[in-house]
Order: sequence, then C-alpha cells, then structure tokens
Amino acid sequence: DTGVSQNPRHKITKRGQNVTFRCDPISEHNRLYWYRQTLGQGPEFLTYFQNEAQLEKSRLLSDRFSAERPKGSFSTLEIQRTEQGDSAMYLCASSLSATRQPQHFGDGTRLSIL
Amino acid sequence: AQSVTQPDIHITVSEGASLELRCNYSYGATPYLFWYVQSPGQGLQLLLKYFSGDTLVQGIKGFEAEFKRSQSSFNLRKPSVHWSDAAEYFCAVGARDNAGNMLTFGGGTRLMVKP
Repeated sequence: DTGVSQNPRHKITKRGQNVTFRCDPISEHNRLYWYRQTLGQGPEFLTYFQNEAQLEKSRLLSDRFSAERPKGSFSTLEIQRTEQGDSAMYLCASSLSATRQPQHFGDGTRLSIL
Repeated sequence: AQSVTQPDIHITVSEGASLELRCNYSYGATPYLFWYVQSPGQGLQLLLKYFSGDTLVQGIKGFEAEFKRSQSSFNLRKPSVHWSDAAEYFCAVGARDNAGNMLTFGGGTRLMVKP
C-alpha cells in the first residue's frame, strides 16, 4: 500500500493563470474524491469519481474548475483563471466502492495565488 | 443535509492528562462517523470510524470514541496524551443514503500539549 500520492505538493502562481494538480489513488481503489481546505477550516467536498465516471459535484466547483479521471486510475483537477480565493489546500482521497469503506487521504497540494 | 460542529477550536492539555474532543452532528438517521488527525502541512489520517454496532469504538494511537445517538455526539477520548498527539483533529460524517459517501467535516479542533 503506497498510499494516495498528490503532485505537486506546493504550487505558487499568479492570478489569472491556469493550474493543474494530479492525484494517484491507492491502486485497488475505484473511488476518488477531491476536497478543498482553506486555512483554519475543515475540508469541503468538491467532487468524486467512481472509476472514470464523475458522479457528484459540489456547488463549490465553479465553471473554472474541472476534474477528470480518464482511465479510472489517476485524476487531475484543473483551475482556470485562478483567483485569490482559490488559495487553499486541495486534498485527494480514495476508497473502495463497497459500503463502509473509509477514505484515505493524500498529503494535498497547497495552492498560493499571488 | 448533514453538518458537523466541533465546539472547541483550540484545546491545551498537559502531557499525561486525559483528553476529550467534542463532536456534534446533524443528520436525519444514523450516519457513518469518523475522526481524522492532521499534522501541519500533511493530509488527514484516519483515527477511527463508526458504522454500526458497539457504540464505543477503538482506534489507532490509543484513541477511542463513543457514539451517543440521543445527544447526536461522537466525542473522541484518550486517557493519557503524548506530546506527539499535538495536531488538528477533524470529526466527519458520511451519509448512509449516499452511495458516494462524501464526507462532511467539522471545523476542527487544534490540540496543543504542554510538557
């Protein structure tokens, strides 16, 4: 079990730029989740995938955000035209799809918008 | 929609003292309940989970939590705190009727341990 891997760990960019984050889940996990965590707050759900299908999206996921999981393995989260308010830690988690399966989290990607 | 409240933003305890972190949830039925711990700059590590059955659940690192349906609570306890327990603790609820079981987190409690 190599755990959930997220890259990069840190990303600094200028406002208006596009950024993309990658998440590699635990290999046998077919569910993958994205959360956003702002400073001093708990994580907030953004979206989740069952294999390659994106099954749920939070209203927090504006049109500037897009997530993909093309082959049901790794996932990418892209933010277009970044804004100051996008500064946060973006966490990825994965789990098995059977009921009562806990989510395992990666170490996150911290995004800072200049 | 479910929600989670962690009333204590910060808690300071002395090393060796007992610990209780409070968690209250709002959900129409019995939810799935979790406690996670987060060290600075790191992701979340699962401490323990409750799905059904025995309302006192044991977790890693000597932590336990008790589900009290009448109080809508799932408080985390540890009999003797170690300096390495200093971290942020998050309670989370997952809905049973949601196949994806996305989690709703509380705002967290930051634990500081005095030597």
